[in-house]
Amino acid sequence: DIQMTQSPSSLSASVGDRVTITCRASQGISHYLTWYQQKPGKVPKLLIYAASTLQSGVPSRFSGSGSGTDFTLTISSLQPDDVATYYCQHYDSAPLTFGGGTTVEIK
Amino acid sequence: QVQLVQSGDEVKEPGASVKVSCKASGYTFASYGISWVRQAPGQGLEWMGWISPYIGNTKYAQKFQGRVAMTTDTSTTTAYMELKSLRSDDTAVYYCARDHTGWVVPTGFDYWGQGTLVTASS
Repeated sequence: DIQMTQSPSSLSASVGDRVTITCRASQGISHYLTWYQQKPGKVPKLLIYAASTLQSGVPSRFSGSGSGTDFTLTISSLQPDDVATYYCQHYDSAPLTFGGGTTVEIK
Repeated sequence: QVQLVQSGDEVKEPGASVKVSCKASGYTFASYGISWVRQAPGQGLEWMGWISPYIGNTKYAQKFQGRVAMTTDTSTTTAYMELKSLRSDDTAVYYCARDHTGWVVPTGFDYWGQGTLVTASS
């Protein structure tokens, strides 16, 4: 199985800060990666697919990059509404696996 | 609008089975695969498996092989996930989720059900 490792596991940043979350795959997955946002008590929401394609309706301050084994999710200017846990997930082949999550808080 | 509406919360004794339903509406049901993802209390997301309503093909995570069965009823546009021989560590919120690309292989998920809490406890 492909293992997905996210870092950091949590972070605290100020409103307006640029925030970067990384996700590393245990083997190459091309661009077959998605990012989700899950707010407390809510259902996960698709942010980005194919590593860098923004899902319709997602604010443009979110962006994704990477291919192969190393990927990043960037929030260009952190907003209070962005407080959530973020997960990466590969879909190179079954079984699909998720990263452990990164919890983002406001400082 | 696309909606996935799941059945209600369940409490089961260890060793029992549970069957969760996921009623889809607002799109052509057969055109998109459905995955099941679970989340234990305070934990991350775990993919359990996938079914293509178009061809009935399934893929299960090895961890659940032999204990899980995913089916669909295209006449009622409903997907089902049955988990057998429940253990206490199966206590989790179970989500159905629609593939954003289609029915061929599992990918990422653009619509999610509201979640069904399954509690396995004596």
